[in-house]
Amino acid sequence: DAGITQSPRYKITETGRQVTLMCHQTWSHSYMFWYRQDLGHGLRLIYYSAAADITDKGEVPDGYVVSRSKTENFPLTLESATRSQTSVYFCASSESSRGLREAFFGQGTRLTVV
Amino acid sequence: AQKITQTQPGMFVQEKEAVTLDCTYDTSDPSYGLFWYKQPSSGEMIFLIYQGSYDQQNATEGRYSLNFQKARKSANLVISASQLGDSAMYFCAMREGNTGNQFYFGTGTSLTVIP
Repeated sequence: DAGITQSPRYKITETGRQVTLMCHQTWSHSYMFWYRQDLGHGLRLIYYSAAADITDKGEVPDGYVVSRSKTENFPLTLESATRSQTSVYFCASSESSRGLREAFFGQGTRLTVV
Repeated sequence: AQKITQTQPGMFVQEKEAVTLDCTYDTSDPSYGLFWYKQPSSGEMIFLIYQGSYDQQNATEGRYSLNFQKARKSANLVISASQLGDSAMYFCAMREGNTGNQFYFGTGTSLTVIP
């Protein structure tokens, strides 16, 4: 299916474990983003990528790692999960050729760290 | 300083009435875009409307319009003829053209439409 998909949709993990959230888009969009959504904070940017092999930190990058070896994939890894990383995570993509236009979001991944 | 400020945590509107959701932004970049997204209880983020900083006219998309006041740095969303399906969280966002192309989001406004 065309679009942007995240997996898994729901994940429960234990403190200290490594967990990877997957994001895949079929549009060949240049830009990809990872956000976390917490009550009272809106969406906060974790990492973003302007193209394959180009990534940059956002507002809250600590404890997270990203990679982008292919344009269509942008996985987010929590190296050693903590309870404070319990959140809803959104991946988004945007086409650079359309200038400052909208980003399209995945369905979100609800992560619980116990 | 906050890039995007939404000062209304919750709003109520009667069905069929119009409602304005407030958004102010802060940037020194002359090139930027302003956005509104809707998040229903199901959780997905739905793009509603876009306004570019150089656009002369206010953006409109069906029942949605963006009241863009550049000097005041405000980008309020107006929803006309509210429907029950408009009940959702609404997020204002900004994207700066010359500083990384990131999207900055506000904390959101929860809108409830009353029958």
